[in-house]
Amino acid sequence: EDKVVQSPLSLVVHEGDTVTLNCSYEVTNFRSLLWYKQEKKAPTFLFMLTSSGIEKKSGRLSSILDKKELFSILNITATQTGDSAIYLCAVYYAGGTSYGKLTFGQGTILTVHP
Amino acid sequence: DTGVSQNPRHKITKRGQNVTFRCDPISEHNRLYWYRQTLGQGPEFLTYFQNEAQLEKSRLLSDRFSAERPKGSFSTLEIQRTEQGDSAMYLCASSPSTVYTGELFFGEGSRLTVL
Repeated sequence: EDKVVQSPLSLVVHEGDTVTLNCSYEVTNFRSLLWYKQEKKAPTFLFMLTSSGIEKKSGRLSSILDKKELFSILNITATQTGDSAIYLCAVYYAGGTSYGKLTFGQGTILTVHP
Repeated sequence: DTGVSQNPRHKITKRGQNVTFRCDPISEHNRLYWYRQTLGQGPEFLTYFQNEAQLEKSRLLSDRFSAERPKGSFSTLEIQRTEQGDSAMYLCASSPSTVYTGELFFGEGSRLTVL
């Protein structure tokens, strides 16, 4: 069965800390891995990764994919209280019996204290 | 606002009642998805439309659930004879069919509470 597993499930840090969120996956017909940030509303898109070893970067956030070991990490440096949210990892796959959909992990709840 | 719109945002109902949620996707987006999210979990796939055709349904979608997208624009998700276990956030998302990368644009969600 296709699955996406995130760790840790929750994380509490102080402002200025650096955090690393993990996502491992087992899916067939992999197309891409995506990271979303969810506050008290809809998930908002952060990154999409399709190739191994190529870091995607946006401000203090960065992410990389390892398609051989089937995992991705999301790094947040110099965390701020506004980074407090649920971070969702999702894998998009299409083929076989699926026309294409995202399968999400459980999410990592990040809490940043001042 | 040209994002994905969902209504109602909140619905409280008694067990056994029927509820219907509506989703208006971003215009020109051919793909429309429904997901369900419960507390502490990531969104779970329910069903997918390409234009008006419902191409895929999750095993999670029991026969009490039905979704339509009659003209390939807005979609409705109906839950009949609601149960307390149906309490969740129902998220709608859309994407253009020409983009096979997986990025979905989510609405704010419709939160269902079944008493």
